[in-house]
Amino acid sequence: KNEVEQSPQNLTAQEGEFITINCSYSVGISALHWLQQHPGGGIVSLFMLSSGKKKHGRLIATINIQEKHSSLHITASHPRDSAVYICAVIDTGTASKLTFGTGTRLQVTL
Amino acid sequence: GAGVSQSPSNKVTEKGKDVELRCDPISGHTALYWYRQRLGQGLEFLIYFQGNSAPDKSGLPSDRFSAERTGESVSTLTIQRTQQEDSAVYLCASSHRAGRTYGYTFGSGTRLTVV
Repeated sequence: KNEVEQSPQNLTAQEGEFITINCSYSVGISALHWLQQHPGGGIVSLFMLSSGKKKHGRLIATINIQEKHSSLHITASHPRDSAVYICAVIDTGTASKLTFGTGTRLQVTL
Repeated sequence: GAGVSQSPSNKVTEKGKDVELRCDPISGHTALYWYRQRLGQGLEFLIYFQGNSAPDKSGLPSDRFSAERTGESVSTLTIQRTQQEDSAVYLCASSHRAGRTYGYTFGSGTRLTVV
């Protein structure tokens, strides 16, 4: 079993829909990252969380440390949001390196 | 520099040859990380540097892989006697300092193809 599990693996949505991607992890963590990877392969860090909730534009990330669960929400989705979204954690035992989920491939259509 | 720069962006090499991949982190970022993503698979940790030291190199898959960092700046990842299973995108990231409160900036990666 992977330390970091994401669901769904694939997601297709129509433009304007509200999207939720979930991440569950099994280890104690000091921080959780949400990353976005576009088809060219480049990775952008969207959020880093250790508690609560963060918002940036149409993106919202939440984390529940007790339940070991995080969600990434996209409001008013747009085709340019199409990408792979990756959840990654910093295990409290490792100090720094990221352990990644397998990603959620999102396709937003017109 | 403004971002994390990796070179080359693409590299095709023959099996058995050695390759060097380069990463220029953001100026002032003391922590530097190497990750690998094989086709259709998730990202996996290789090694990280704090300054010029590598406190964790547990992800290096074999002794054919090595990495160094000098001047708390540029890092090179060297793969000797490349094999086809080494084909992957090699990603570098840097952060102000290793630790949970510091965010990451990723480079665009080097796509390595071993033929």
